[in-house]
Amino acid sequence: SQQGEEDPQALSIQEGENATMNCSYKTSINNLQWYRQNSGRGLVHLILIRSNEREKHSGRLRVTLDTSKKSSSLLITASRAADTASYFCATRGGGSNYKLTFGKGTLLTVNP
Amino acid sequence: GAVVSQHPSRVICKSGTSVKIECRSLDFQATTMFWYRQFPKQSLMLMATSNEGSKATYEQGVEKDKFLINHASLTLSTLTVTSAHPEDSSFYICSASSRRTVLDTEAFFGQGTRLTVV
Repeated sequence: SQQGEEDPQALSIQEGENATMNCSYKTSINNLQWYRQNSGRGLVHLILIRSNEREKHSGRLRVTLDTSKKSSSLLITASRAADTASYFCATRGGGSNYKLTFGKGTLLTVNP
Repeated sequence: GAVVSQHPSRVICKSGTSVKIECRSLDFQATTMFWYRQFPKQSLMLMATSNEGSKATYEQGVEKDKFLINHASLTLSTLTVTSAHPEDSSFYICSASSRRTVLDTEAFFGQGTRLTVV
């Protein structure tokens, strides 16, 4: 079963605007990761945030994690047309449960 | 980051035939490999987890006799879709991790294989 649920399912913005995507999950986690997928391609890792972290930055990306609400957000600032892709959150369980479970994803379209 | 190579990127096969997809870790020892399936505009569904030298662990609802997984070496895992049918048409993606990093770091993904069964 799916662990993560992203919203919105689709997001269309203009170049230069910020894009925010949210992810909720159901069980305890070791870490939460965000991935990007261009159409018909493999996944590219963007950022990993551990369960004891609350916020992380990487370039134009900012990720937050609220374990009390079991939710995370991915903010892409100053978006570019090249950011157009699907974005997935994925959770890694704790203990021996090292499976990576993906959410349904958000399709981001950045219009030039 | 580590490099995972998946081959072929696209394959078209006739119904009833078998297709083998390879997943190789090029610059690290992949003690654990994961196989996912993705339908159009949907998320990745984990099919099975394989550890080098042991039998794969399949997720509920995945037919182990239909989707044969072999992880015979630390750099290669294969997924064979046996007696393929049109409903097996999908995008298959592998990812690889080492024992040291499987819990705490990112996963490294192959480029994916688009399988079309006609």
